[in-house]
Amino acid sequence: GQQVMQIPQYQHVQEGEDFTTYCNSSTTLSNIQWYKQRPGGHPVFLIQLVKSGEVKKQKRLTFQFGEAKKNSSLHITATQTTDVGTYFCAGRGSGAGSYQLTFGKGTKLSVIP
Amino acid sequence: NAGVTQTPKFQVLKTGQSMTLQCAQDMNHEYMSWYRQDPGMGLRLIHYSVGAGITDQGEVPNGYNVSRSTTEDFPLRLLSAAPSQTSVYFCASSPGLAGGRMGNEQFFGPGTRLTVL
Repeated sequence: GQQVMQIPQYQHVQEGEDFTTYCNSSTTLSNIQWYKQRPGGHPVFLIQLVKSGEVKKQKRLTFQFGEAKKNSSLHITATQTTDVGTYFCAGRGSGAGSYQLTFGKGTKLSVIP
Repeated sequence: NAGVTQTPKFQVLKTGQSMTLQCAQDMNHEYMSWYRQDPGMGLRLIHYSVGAGITDQGEVPNGYNVSRSTTEDFPLRLLSAAPSQTSVYFCASSPGLAGGRMGNEQFFGPGTRLTVL
């Protein structure tokens, strides 16, 4: 079955440093989504990438989808304490009628003030 | 709109007991899903539904049943609870085909924290 690997599992950064998390899928994806989960909370949708090589920005967050549609990354510039949480990627397969999202295990970000 | 609601928020069961986790959404979403979240394991899909009367298994369906008699409700049943089912359970909904390219965006409920002794 489809697998989505996400690294690193944990990341501790000093406030103001940059942060990047990476996802790799075992199969070609039709799209990939990113979610953020604050401690004690539920996952919240951040963005969806669909096109090969797509790059999207949300303020300090930059999301990329690889050319082969098998990998993706989330980069945060100049982290703030409000960025604390776990970031998940979730990939949707490219088969016809494919619905299931496969989540990576997440990267837990800690920001030291 | 209340979005996706889940009850209860916390539950403690003894091994062998049964219970139903409730999930409801008021956004007229086609798709609904149940996930479990365990430390270091991310979110794993248990069951999902692409519309009323239609359900299918996800990655970890054993020990769980679902039904979708209405668009709004998607309960998850544990028939005979086991300690391995101790987890945080999230229900999610998404617009589905009616949402076009964004039809897959998942809206999560607040979760149910279940402990099986």
